[in-house]
Amino acid sequence: DAGITQSPRHKVTETGTPVTLRCHQTENHRYMYWYRQDPGHGLRLIHYSYGVKDTDKGEVSDGYSVSRSKTEDFLLTLESATSSQTSVYFCAISDIWREAFFGQGTRLTVV
Amino acid sequence: GESVGLHLPTLSVQEGDNSIINCAYSNSASDYFIWYKQESGKGPQFIIDIRSNMDKRQGQRVTVLLNKTVKHLSLQIAATQPGDSAVYFCAENRYNAGNMLTFGGGTRLMVKP
Repeated sequence: DAGITQSPRHKVTETGTPVTLRCHQTENHRYMYWYRQDPGHGLRLIHYSYGVKDTDKGEVSDGYSVSRSKTEDFLLTLESATSSQTSVYFCAISDIWREAFFGQGTRLTVV
Repeated sequence: GESVGLHLPTLSVQEGDNSIINCAYSNSASDYFIWYKQESGKGPQFIIDIRSNMDKRQGQRVTVLLNKTVKHLSLQIAATQPGDSAVYFCAENRYNAGNMLTFGGGTRLMVKP
């Protein structure tokens, strides 16, 4: 398996609290991505990064922010969690002309 | 919990038959296309890829066809096996947009023994 680790794997949090999910890679890949997956919606891109400190918005970025201060880590932050952000979150890494490798996912429940 | 594939279109095939899964992609500027397989409780796994300068690529038991004129991808699985049962997603990559990678809606493949 590609060296990609998501933490935590499961989290329950209360509405209005901040939450940070971490994606860590050991592959030195340039590109990193955060997706959410909900029933009936497949994988939707939240934010992505094309280098250290270089990030851009995806299809569903409202309510989320990201940071990438070093190649190996890509953080996803929910500043004030809402119930609509209950989902499974996947991180992925890739290089140019290469398939993306996915982490095992983080199941987030906002109550 | 509710399955991710619950509301997705479903293709049901008999074991041993060939399967064809279709995908319409959205952006004519996309450079690179990938098919992924996702089993319950797991992250997507790579199956096969194709660059935009090709129209066909074959792997082991799988073939991807790309029709750029109508922005259509298909995945053909030969001699489908029960282990092929999963949700399949196509994805498109845009190098000139920071290598942005977006996914289609997915198809659930069910293989009947």
